[in-house]
Amino acid sequence: DARVTQTPRHKVTEMGQEVTMRCQPILGHNTVFWYRQTMMQGLELLAYFRNRAPLDDSGMPKDRFSAEMPDATLATLKIQPSEPRDSAVYFCASGLVGETQYFGPGTRLLVL
Amino acid sequence: KQEVTQIPAALSVPEGENLVLNCSFTDSAIYNLQWFRQDPGKGLTSLLLIQSSQREQTSGRLNASLDKSSGRSTLYIAASQPGDSATYLCAGGTYNTDKLIFGTGTRLQVFP
Repeated sequence: DARVTQTPRHKVTEMGQEVTMRCQPILGHNTVFWYRQTMMQGLELLAYFRNRAPLDDSGMPKDRFSAEMPDATLATLKIQPSEPRDSAVYFCASGLVGETQYFGPGTRLLVL
Repeated sequence: KQEVTQIPAALSVPEGENLVLNCSFTDSAIYNLQWFRQDPGKGLTSLLLIQSSQREQTSGRLNASLDKSSGRSTLYIAASQPGDSATYLCAGGTYNTDKLIFGTGTRLQVFP
């Protein structure tokens, strides 16, 4: 049963620290998405890749967030420096173009 | 800017009832429409995907329809069960992009 995996599942850090979240998409999927979910804003798209190339990162604060896909089996989302307002659940999803997206279990981030 | 609204925001019903969840979007240039389920503390699970050429999809006790002219989609749940308790999210996709715009969600509770 293929699944999207994310690490870590939970992260508590102090303001100003770097945070790196990792995602392993389902093998064979060519699109990868990063979302952020908060009570206030709901689910927001931060960035997405197709065939490892970044297509859209307009939802991401550019000064502190960065997203990469070093290879087809790994996507990363980094926050540097982290701030309390970054506290949220970060989801990775993968899929094929025009098809449904499969979500990972999320990384729950708390920045103190 | 596309906005997706879901009504009602919360719903509590006894087991066995047939339910209708509503989703409306401001921009009728929706390409496809997906319904997801989210259990507390978990990621999203895709339920149904209605492609641009389709008007409805069915899976078991679930039926989703899409009316692009009115900018509405409905999710029908037949014979609801306590296991259906979750938050249901609709998400609209636009042409030539894999981006999804998520609705605000309907929190459903089905009690025995």
